[in-house]
Amino acid sequence: QMQLQESGPRLMKPSQTLSLTCTVSGGSISSVSYYWNWIRQPAGKGLEWIGRIYTGGSTNYNPSLKSRLTISMDTSKNQFSLRLTSVTAADTAVYYCARAPSLFKGGHSWFAPWGQGTLVTVSS
Amino acid sequence: DIQMTQSPSSLSASVGDRVTITCRASQSIDSYLNWYQQKPGQAPKFLIYGAITLQNGVPSRFSGSGSGTDFTLTISSLQPEDFATYYCQQSYSIPVTFGQGTKLEIK
Repeated sequence: QMQLQESGPRLMKPSQTLSLTCTVSGGSISSVSYYWNWIRQPAGKGLEWIGRIYTGGSTNYNPSLKSRLTISMDTSKNQFSLRLTSVTAADTAVYYCARAPSLFKGGHSWFAPWGQGTLVTVSS
Repeated sequence: DIQMTQSPSSLSASVGDRVTITCRASQSIDSYLNWYQQKPGQAPKFLIYGAITLQNGVPSRFSGSGSGTDFTLTISSLQPEDFATYYCQQSYSIPVTFGQGTKLEIK
């Protein structure tokens, strides 16, 4: 059974660059059948899709974050990563990584499984 | 971006009740609509895709309906473990977007 695990700093200062890694076990991120996603959730609020990466390195980003965001993958480590520059308090959230199918019939796609999430706090 | 609006934002109900949560898209998304359940301190759990198809292992008391812009999630007979927050999500276009959530509480 596939599992995803986020890792990275818990506390950051404004203007710093956030780097998070999602380590995947129980399957390969090189599979052409899946997108690998980042999603975040501020405390007590809803879910915001950040972006995704596909085998070969193609990416899609949320336009609201695109200018500050880079998502990459390291197939040798079975990991994918998020890099968000110039963070502010508005970037304080639980960050999740999640898999989404890319080749399902009808083009349907959904997020499963998810990592447990990691809380990132931006504060001076 | 496609805006997803859920109603109500919160709902109080009792064990055994039938409840319905509505999700409306700002434009047609065909049937590219998913539902998730989230409990405090946990990641969301995937329930339904394509507006109507239950993920393996999801109890049959959950059902989804709708297409185009209007969708519903129905729980036919609430169980204690169903009290949680529910989110809809469109997979029709990028950026993927979620509804703001519906918190289902015990009356």
